[in-house]
Amino acid sequence: DQQVKQNSPSLSVQEGRISILNCDYTNSMFDYFLWYKKYPAEGPTFLISISSIKDKNEDGRFTVFLNKSAKHLSLHIVPSQPGDSAVYFCAASAEAGKSTFGDGTTLTVKP
Amino acid sequence: GAGVSQTPSNKVTEKGKYVELRCDPISGHTALYWYRQSLGQGPEFLIYFQGTGAADDSGLPNDRFFAVRPEGSVSTLKIQRTERGDSAVYLCASSSRPNQPQHFGDGTRLSIL
Repeated sequence: DQQVKQNSPSLSVQEGRISILNCDYTNSMFDYFLWYKKYPAEGPTFLISISSIKDKNEDGRFTVFLNKSAKHLSLHIVPSQPGDSAVYFCAASAEAGKSTFGDGTTLTVKP
Repeated sequence: GAGVSQTPSNKVTEKGKYVELRCDPISGHTALYWYRQSLGQGPEFLIYFQGTGAADDSGLPNDRFFAVRPEGSVSTLKIQRTERGDSAVYLCASSSRPNQPQHFGDGTRLSIL
């Protein structure tokens, strides 16, 4: 039973447009959510996070939205750049320490 | 560098052998995590240390897997009697305290022949 799901394995967008990556979760105990970005042969790199007491967090071109009632979060990247091309992982935690990851979405930003 | 360091970067060994994977976390980070990532999947939690003690080892798949962090800094993941299904990228991460964003190393790619 996968508790964090990223239903789109891949997404392709044009440079300058918005990228929207989605993530669904099933465990209502999750209270902290994160997005990581991963390039080939490197470890994941932290991008942005959100606590369950908020519904939006913004950091530059990156915004994360949380809809607790729908158990859904999304990452918006505006404007998208070719350097944003990577695998994006959604992660969630219910307690200090352990994070549960989705299987990732491969984003391709075309020049 | 100042990031999480994992050695070796690649390890190829035969089925049945014993392997040790090392993780050197960011200096001062008290929390350390091990994950395993298979192709096409996200990182899968194995074990989490707070200081020297294993705070949560619920992700270790069986008793062939063991991890230590004797001085609260470097950690070693040990796998006995390796099986082909153990082949994966083993990722280590650290954070300044629990429930903070984790900083990952580049992983050890383990291949069991």
